[in-house]
Amino acid sequence: QVQLVQSGTEVKKPGASVKISCKASGYTFTSYHIHWVRQAPGQGLEWMGIINPGSGVTNYAQKFQGRVTMTRDTSASTVYMDLSSLTSEDTAVYYCARELNIEWTYWGQGTLVTVSS
Amino acid sequence: QTVVTQEPSLTVSPGGTVTLTCASSTGAVTRGYNANWFQQKPGQAPRSLIYNTNNKHSWTPAQFSGSLLGGKAALTLSGVQPEDEAEYYCLLYCDGAWVFGGGTKLTVL
Repeated sequence: QVQLVQSGTEVKKPGASVKISCKASGYTFTSYHIHWVRQAPGQGLEWMGIINPGSGVTNYAQKFQGRVTMTRDTSASTVYMDLSSLTSEDTAVYYCARELNIEWTYWGQGTLVTVSS
Repeated sequence: QTVVTQEPSLTVSPGGTVTLTCASSTGAVTRGYNANWFQQKPGQAPRSLIYNTNNKHSWTPAQFSGSLLGGKAALTLSGVQPEDEAEYYCLLYCDGAWVFGGGTKLTVL
């Protein structure tokens, strides 16, 4: 069955970077886009960007341009999201989600990132 | 930047019907906005319910339906059950970017 399994909880200091992974299984990795979405405590969902695992092409939300990098390792069926210059406002649960032709389907379980001095 | 607006909260009685809406600050929502709807319960990841305005996934319960209504995307729940109490989010594709609505907290009471 389709699964997106994310890496574990992270605790970072302000100014640091965090890299979260999303390992896909149960389908052809390069055939579906992967989005990253975050949710601050008690808040709504926020779209961060998308990567096409087949080509590596990315599109980032304007808010995160210059601070986020999405990459993939096709041999490991894994997508990575790197967020730099962290502040307390980046404390959130980060999700990866699969999409193709505007059909969003499966989500990862989420990764909690806490930014605290 | 497009702003997507949902009702912050709605209450419905068990067995009742409720419609949640999703509006865009840029104007009427059309099929071109490719509306998706998600359900999220506390402590869980979102679950996809509807894509491309009115299409259901194989796992989407029959009582959920999507549509366009009065220039907005809409999610209608019929025969509401207690387990439908959750936060519901819409997602629109606007000018090359995806934008989530703020979410609607649905209470079944």
